Amino acid sequence: DTAVSQTPKYLVTQMGNDKSIKCEQNLGHDTMYWYKQDSKKFLKIMFSYNNKELIINETVPNRFSPKSPDKAHLNLHINSLELGDSAVYFCASSQGGGEGYGYTFGSGTRLTVV
Amino acid sequence: GEDVEQSLFLSVREGDSSVINCTYTDSSSTYLYWYKQEPGAGLQLLTYIFSNMDMKQDQRLTVLLNKKDKHLSLRIADTQTGDSAIYFCAESGGFKTIFGAGTRLFVKA
Repeated sequence: DTAVSQTPKYLVTQMGNDKSIKCEQNLGHDTMYWYKQDSKKFLKIMFSYNNKELIINETVPNRFSPKSPDKAHLNLHINSLELGDSAVYFCASSQGGGEGYGYTFGSGTRLTVV
Repeated sequence: GEDVEQSLFLSVREGDSSVINCTYTDSSSTYLYWYKQEPGAGLQLLTYIFSNMDMKQDQRLTVLLNKKDKHLSLRIADTQTGDSAIYFCAESGGFKTIFGAGTRLFVKA
């Protein structure tokens, strides 16, 4: 069983569209994250939820809206997609802040905006 | 603010040791991590070190921490072609983990 699973794995869409990426973890962790990895492999945190509560909200355009229906799921909805949104989006989870355990990452969603 | 810096590339011959270096800025970081990313995959935790330790060894991996200089290194002994990947250094304090830009390790047969 995959510990952190993201869907879809690939997403190609036109500018201006709205899309969602889903993430689920079966590890019993209470914290989930969204990271964006750009073409140079730089990873930047976007959001973090602990027990369904938003605890980290970095400087991200408000076109990006996370939603955590329960602590095992964290979805990311993106409105009015722009070319600059093209990247790989990683979901991750941890118990608490992951201190001493680190994060478990999903395999990523490659978003291409054309 | 917090920052983590790594050199971008390292090339070694199979069987040699690899040493990947990292510097960080947040002296309050309690844990420091090394992650590995293979092509098309997510990051995988390799090892971590608590900030009050100087060294940690885990099979072929040795982590050295110089807290005074805020310098972290990862040594991979007997490097194999399967070790070719991107290695990320990360610092953590609380719920936020900051990642370096990653070091691309190339292993030549």
